Amino acid sequence: EAEVAQSPRYKITEKSQAVAFWCDPISGHATLYWYRQILGQGPELLVQFQDESVVDDSQLPKDRFSAERLKGVDSTLKIQPAELGDSAMYLCASRHNTEAFFGQGTRLTVV
Amino acid sequence: GESVGLHLPTLSVQEGDNSIINCAYSNSASDYFIWYKQESGKGPQFIIDIRSNMDKRQGQRVTVLLNKTVKHLSLQIAATQPGDSAVYFCAETGSNYKLTFGKGTLLTVNP
Repeated sequence: EAEVAQSPRYKITEKSQAVAFWCDPISGHATLYWYRQILGQGPELLVQFQDESVVDDSQLPKDRFSAERLKGVDSTLKIQPAELGDSAMYLCASRHNTEAFFGQGTRLTVV
Repeated sequence: GESVGLHLPTLSVQEGDNSIINCAYSNSASDYFIWYKQESGKGPQFIIDIRSNMDKRQGQRVTVLLNKTVKHLSLQIAATQPGDSAVYFCAETGSNYKLTFGKGTLLTVNP
C-alpha cells in the first residue's frame, strides 16, 4: 500500500543549528502539506503546496523556516536557526481528491 | 516557550460501550469534514469523512453526524474496543484544499 514517507523519524539538534526534514508523498498526489504538532495539540498547517507552487504559507515563520518542492514531487522543510520552541512533531501529508494521507512524522527535539 | 502537556478533552469508556466524540468547526464555507485517529507517536489516520450536503454517514462501527446549523460534528464509535484508544481530531476543508484541524479528544477504553 502506498504511503507518505518522512525522514528522519527522530532528530535532536542544538539551538541555533540548522535542521531539515524530507517528505516523499504518494505518487500522483498534487497537494502536499507540512504541519507542526506540539504535544497535546492538533496539527497546525505550516505550508501547503499544489504541485511545485506554494498556495498557503501564512503560518510559516519565514524568518527561520523555509519549504520547497522543486519538481512537484518530494519536499524539504528547513529550520535555520532552530529554537527551543521548535521542538515538536513535523508531519507531512499528501492529498488526492478528498482524502489526505499522513506520514509518520519527524519528532524534533531542540536542546 | 511553548507549554508542554495534555490540553485535550478526554473521554473514558468501558470496552463494549458506545463512544461519542464531539467537535465544533469554525468555517461555514467548509464543504468537507474528516475524522482522524492518531495513536501515540504516529501520524493521523483517516477514519471517515462527510460532505457538507449530508447530515449522516456510516462506516464500519463508526458514524459521523453533521449539524451545519450549529457547526457541530460528532463521531460515534459502536462497541468501543481497546484498540480504539487514541486521540481523535476533526478536520475541515474547502475548495482551496486547506485542511484545518480542530482540537482533539483523547479516548481511553478501559477493559
